[in-house]
Amino acid sequence: ETGVTQTPRHLVMGMTNKKSLKCEQHLGHNAMYWYKQSAKKPLELMFVYSLEERVENNSVPSRFSPECPNSSHLFLHLHTLQPEDSALYLCASSQATGGQGYSPLHFGNGTRLTVT
Amino acid sequence: AQSVTQLGSHVSVSEGALVLLRCNYSSSVPPYLFWYVQYPNQGLQLLLKYTSAATLVKGINGFEAEFKKSETSFHLTKPSAHMSDAAEYFCALYSGAGSYQLTFGKGTKLSVIP
Repeated sequence: ETGVTQTPRHLVMGMTNKKSLKCEQHLGHNAMYWYKQSAKKPLELMFVYSLEERVENNSVPSRFSPECPNSSHLFLHLHTLQPEDSALYLCASSQATGGQGYSPLHFGNGTRLTVT
Repeated sequence: AQSVTQLGSHVSVSEGALVLLRCNYSSSVPPYLFWYVQYPNQGLQLLLKYTSAATLVKGINGFEAEFKKSETSFHLTKPSAHMSDAAEYFCALYSGAGSYQLTFGKGTKLSVIP
């Protein structure tokens, strides 16, 4: 299997549920990202892991909790979400450049999350 | 602060006609610029990138973009639209050394009329 794979593709959860989104990359990259895509809004960067360490956390509510156990896997743990958290959650990976230039992102197909 | 503005949230063209999707940027340092495409129910796919080499950049599927510093623009073009080009297109900017922040525009949805 190649590229960036996200599971599940669709998820419906109640506000009191706990669920997790999974992302796996087969590109040999060492940086992984979570983005939120909502209608009518630009993509929002949520979290970045580089070499398995969290390097950016863009003021994301604590009801979203990321985990990166190794350079190929990334999780987003969800609990007590709100209806406004309904969106497409995209995982991406890239090759960290150590500040020398920029390596383009490779995206998964996303998880469509609906919070009821 | 860096920003990306895509003019027109929705563009319609006839099959075979020129495609022009507009992107203007603001950056205090020389930027890296990207165009991504998103087909329905899929993630984003890189179309092309500008990294301070040639100002005219060729990408996949016959698309190209020209970096114009004087106009702070990076418009995407394709000479002849195909039905398969119908998708949403995102312009993105990176200008922060050492940061992982990629600033995206709001996207332009392209419709191709047969």
